[in-house]
Amino acid sequence: GAGVSQSPSNKVTEKGKDVELRCDPISGHTALYWYRQSLGQGLEFLIYFQGNSAPDKSGLPSDRFSAERTGGSVSTLTIQRTQQEDSAVYLCASTRGGTGELFFGEGSRLTVL
Amino acid sequence: GNSVTQMEGPVTLSEEAFLTINCTYTATGYPSLFWYVQYPGEGLQLLLKATKADDKGSNKGFEATYRKETTSFHLEKGSVQVSDSAVYFCALAHGSSNTGKLIFGQGTTLQVKP
Repeated sequence: GAGVSQSPSNKVTEKGKDVELRCDPISGHTALYWYRQSLGQGLEFLIYFQGNSAPDKSGLPSDRFSAERTGGSVSTLTIQRTQQEDSAVYLCASTRGGTGELFFGEGSRLTVL
Repeated sequence: GNSVTQMEGPVTLSEEAFLTINCTYTATGYPSLFWYVQYPGEGLQLLLKATKADDKGSNKGFEATYRKETTSFHLEKGSVQVSDSAVYFCALAHGSSNTGKLIFGQGTTLQVKP
C-alpha cells in the first residue's frame, strides 16, 4: 500500500488477555519503529527494527511486551497478560533511514477493561 | 537525559492570526530537531526539520529555527488557516546511527476558528 497500515484500528480486551497488533510498513522501508501514545505520557519509543533484527528494545516497558518482524516487512507487537495501564494508542512508523523522517500509521487504539 | 518541553495547549486562534508554539529541549551534543503534525483522523507526519544550529526548517508556511544558545525550536506561522487545526509535536533525535528514535514533546493542540 501507499502508507503504513496498522491493524486492528481499535481493540477492546479484558485484563489478563493477550493481544497482537500488526504493522505493515511502506514497501522498501528497512527501518520500523513502534511508539506508544498515552494520556499523560505523550509519545514513547518502544522498539526499533532494522530489517528483521531489533538492535534497540530499550523502550519496551516490561517483559510482557515483545515484537517481531519477518521478511523485513510486517511487524507484530504482542502484549501478554494485558493490564489497564497498557491502554494507549500504539503507533508504528517506517523509514528508509538516514533522514529522520518517519512515516506513521494511524495507530491501534487498545483499551484494557 | 534528553527531553523536549512544549507549551501547553489548547491554542485557539482566529483565521489569519500569527502562531507561535514554543518548544525547548535538553540534550547533550547536537541533536536533530523536528516538528510533526497530526491532523484529525490521520497519522503523524513530518512538518519540518533542522539538523544543525541556526538552520531554519520551513514547510507549508510554517518555520522553525534551531537556536542552540536558547535550546529552542519554536514553531511559527504568519497567518493560520482553519485547515491548520491539528496537534503539533516537537521532537529531537540524538545519534546519527538511529535518527528514527525520537523523543517527543507532549503535543500542542491548535484550533483555528473562521
